[in-house]
Amino acid sequence: ETGVTQSPTHLIKTRGQQVTLRCSSQSGHNTVSWYQQALGQGPQFIFQYYREEENGRGNFPPRFSGLQFPNYSSELNVNALELDDSALYLCASSLGRVAGALGELFFGEGSRLTVL
Amino acid sequence: QQQVKQSPQSLIVQKGGISIINCAYENTAFDYFPWYQQFPGKGPALLIAIRPDVSEKKEGRFTISFNKSAKQFSLHIMDSQPGDSATYFCAATGMDTGRRALTFGSGTRLQVQP
Repeated sequence: ETGVTQSPTHLIKTRGQQVTLRCSSQSGHNTVSWYQQALGQGPQFIFQYYREEENGRGNFPPRFSGLQFPNYSSELNVNALELDDSALYLCASSLGRVAGALGELFFGEGSRLTVL
Repeated sequence: QQQVKQSPQSLIVQKGGISIINCAYENTAFDYFPWYQQFPGKGPALLIAIRPDVSEKKEGRFTISFNKSAKQFSLHIMDSQPGDSATYFCAATGMDTGRRALTFGSGTRLQVQP
């Protein structure tokens, strides 16, 4: 059973550019959630995808968007990057949409984005 | 109302001692409270979780104490070991978000000295 894998692990972009981060969910998991973790802070919920549809979103602007594919892998896209977007982006997979009901969130190691 | 406040920000404990981390919340819709452990360069990993229908849950050296009336919950690590040195996050979720989103505290960096 493979865990949650994310790519790339590190990347550097400049302000105004666009970035795509990728996530492969744990085997058998049908739900993917994305979190942003700024340095020294707790993760903040961006959105959740279940069966290829977004079904929950945190307080993030529309320039944060995502996709979930039929194999349940996922992408996070951020357009018009700003300096404050510098953070660790965490992907978490789970079995089912409801935390703690059918299964817990399993986090990947994250993609560290630096915006210059 | 979504905020979860966590303290202390950092904690130094001697090996064999008890580590205590506290969290408080405002949102009365929260009904599931997990704790996560994060090592440097790794993603958070679930440690232990509790629902508000019980006041305490113990798993090995880790215990969650829950006070529903005070809207507070805490993590106790008994017989703390150097391998417990990590950042700990409390979190909460509830049916107001369909339990789809975890709201995390700001984290406590624990250092257990040998």
